[in-house]
Amino acid sequence: AQSVTQLDSQVPVFEEAPVELRCNYSSSVSVYLFWYVQYPNQGLQLLLKYLSGSTLVKGINGFEAEFNKSQTSFHLRKPSVHISDTAEYFCAVSGGNQGGKLIFGQGTELSVKP
Amino acid sequence: NAGVTQTPKFQVLKTGQSMTLQCAQDMNHEYMSWYRQDPGMGLRLIHYSVGAGITDQGEVPNGYNVSRSTTEDFPLRLLSAAPSQTSVYFCASSSGTGHYEQYFGPGTRLTVT
Repeated sequence: AQSVTQLDSQVPVFEEAPVELRCNYSSSVSVYLFWYVQYPNQGLQLLLKYLSGSTLVKGINGFEAEFNKSQTSFHLRKPSVHISDTAEYFCAVSGGNQGGKLIFGQGTELSVKP
Repeated sequence: NAGVTQTPKFQVLKTGQSMTLQCAQDMNHEYMSWYRQDPGMGLRLIHYSVGAGITDQGEVPNGYNVSRSTTEDFPLRLLSAAPSQTSVYFCASSSGTGHYEQYFGPGTRLTVT
């Protein structure tokens, strides 16, 4: 079965600093990988996804993620964060023997301070 | 295009009461699902549907029922509410499974006392 682990539950960072949110997954078969963002009191919104091809994926709001098959990781990065990036971020995986259903990680709360 | 809508936004129930959380989408999506979100646990799949008349259980289905009589609607029923069902519930829809993006509703915050 597939699983997703987000290594940090909370990440505080100052405005304009770089940030990396870490995600590891386990699967014995090919998977699709996603990052979703949840702003306070809202539903989830897709940031980016990896399906195949280039391992560096660019998403909305200046975020990017790198797929590393050997390390089974899909870390999310942004070179310079803004106050408006304060939100909870979820890594998710689908495919393989899960019937295409999305399996989510526990979430990482990004807090950007002035 | 309203996307995915959920009602109500907030609900308080007493233990043992029943209720239905409503979910509708206007994107003609075949796949719909219900998740619950609890602190530190991410989102967990309750039930899902791959089309009208077809539903299946997810990771945490106990205490919940679903049906899908139309493409647009996918209600979630709590038969006898328990405090352990206090959570935020999200409905989502997509064109399919696997690599397709899921579109989420704004959520229903349920408290069971």
